[in-house]
Amino acid sequence: SQQGEEDPQALSIQEGENATMNCSYKTSINNLQWYRQNSGRGLVHLILIRSNEREKHSGRLRVTLDTSKKSSSLLITASRAADTASYFCAPMDSNYQLIWGAGTKLIIKP
Amino acid sequence: NAGVMQNPRHLVRRRGQEARLRCSPMKGHSHVYWYRQLPEEGLKFMVYLQKENIIDESGMPKERFSAEFPKEGPSILRIQQVVRGDSAAYFCASSSFFENTEAFFGQGTRLTVV
Repeated sequence: SQQGEEDPQALSIQEGENATMNCSYKTSINNLQWYRQNSGRGLVHLILIRSNEREKHSGRLRVTLDTSKKSSSLLITASRAADTASYFCAPMDSNYQLIWGAGTKLIIKP
Repeated sequence: NAGVMQNPRHLVRRRGQEARLRCSPMKGHSHVYWYRQLPEEGLKFMVYLQKENIIDESGMPKERFSAEFPKEGPSILRIQQVVRGDSAAYFCASSSFFENTEAFFGQGTRLTVV
């Protein structure tokens, strides 16, 4: 499977600020999913955006998808210390497989 | 409805031994994916299985690694003659075969080869 790419690789911000992470991919997709992984733990599904959707919200999360640019962004508003984790985008390709990148390591400083 | 269950959570093997990792998908899910995560790296796809079928094993090393998902029972990822480089976290995910559904992940098995 081709890998997606998250950008930046690492992000450190102050608590209360907004965090934006970007994701690019290469293939056509059915949907794109964002996951969070706390250190040493399993992955938690955050949000799924379909290929025909442009924006989706869930609580403090806002995801955008631009299929023409093959890119997505995850915005976390009003960040909290508990948001410290690695964030992965996972486009699901036409074979229903998830394509993973190396993730963005987000650190929220108190 | 229990989530994806992986066991063991931690597995220590000596070089040359065999490692067997188990994954029980969520109830009703017939698709299982295995991923490997090396320290400080992202997830790497290994294999995609449906019941009794390997759909895509393009991420599996050619030797020593095998996977199965029998009609009854959990999916098994088997690593024969383990080496130090096999030390990693192995994650299993399951999904139902419907478009636009999320994959649910287990907590992972952390394999340490000593």
